[in-house]
Amino acid sequence: KQEVTQIPAALSVPEGENLVLNCSFTDSAIYNLRWFRQDPGKGLTSLLLIQSSQREQTSGRLNASLDKSSGRSTLYIAASQPGDSATYLCAVGPQYGKLTFGQGTILTVHP
Amino acid sequence: GAGVSQSPSNKVTEKGKDVELRCDPISGHTALYWYRQSLGQGLEFLIYFQGNSAPDKSGLPSDRFSAERTGGSVSTLTIQRTQQEDSAVYLCASSTGQILNTEAFFGQGTRLTVV
Repeated sequence: KQEVTQIPAALSVPEGENLVLNCSFTDSAIYNLRWFRQDPGKGLTSLLLIQSSQREQTSGRLNASLDKSSGRSTLYIAASQPGDSATYLCAVGPQYGKLTFGQGTILTVHP
Repeated sequence: GAGVSQSPSNKVTEKGKDVELRCDPISGHTALYWYRQSLGQGLEFLIYFQGNSAPDKSGLPSDRFSAERTGGSVSTLTIQRTQQEDSAVYLCASSTGQILNTEAFFGQGTRLTVV
């Protein structure tokens, strides 16, 4: 059974800091890994999708890496802003079917 | 439609009543997923549809929970004889089919409160 763990559970940083969120998964037989953002009372917004054959993906200030063999992914956020405050969720997926989610990291960026 | 639509956005029900939650996926998306998010918890998978069939319903927590999808489009999640532990946000997502190369788009969710 696939299990996904995210560390830390919560993180509070001052504006402008670079930060790293961690995700680990127990079964390396994945087809892709995704990072989502969830704002309070809202649904999930997809941030980055990494295929199993890829090592990283970048979008603006976000960079996600994937080490499939060791079952790890990191989400790097550069020059954090208060608007980045949200819960960040990592999820892994097979070729068909369900995504398995981690519990999320609650990020607070204070001015 | 422009996105995944769920209704109602909020539902308060008395313990023991039945509830129906609705999901309208993005037009043309063949895959549809239901997840549940309890307070302070991660997303818990409930059921996955490909077209009108459900290849994986392993996450349904009990026989009080059922879901159907008709016309390869709208899906309804039904909870019978609701219990307080059913209180959660129920999220629906859809994608074009093969998870491999597609995005999964999530709705805003239905917040269910059982009192």
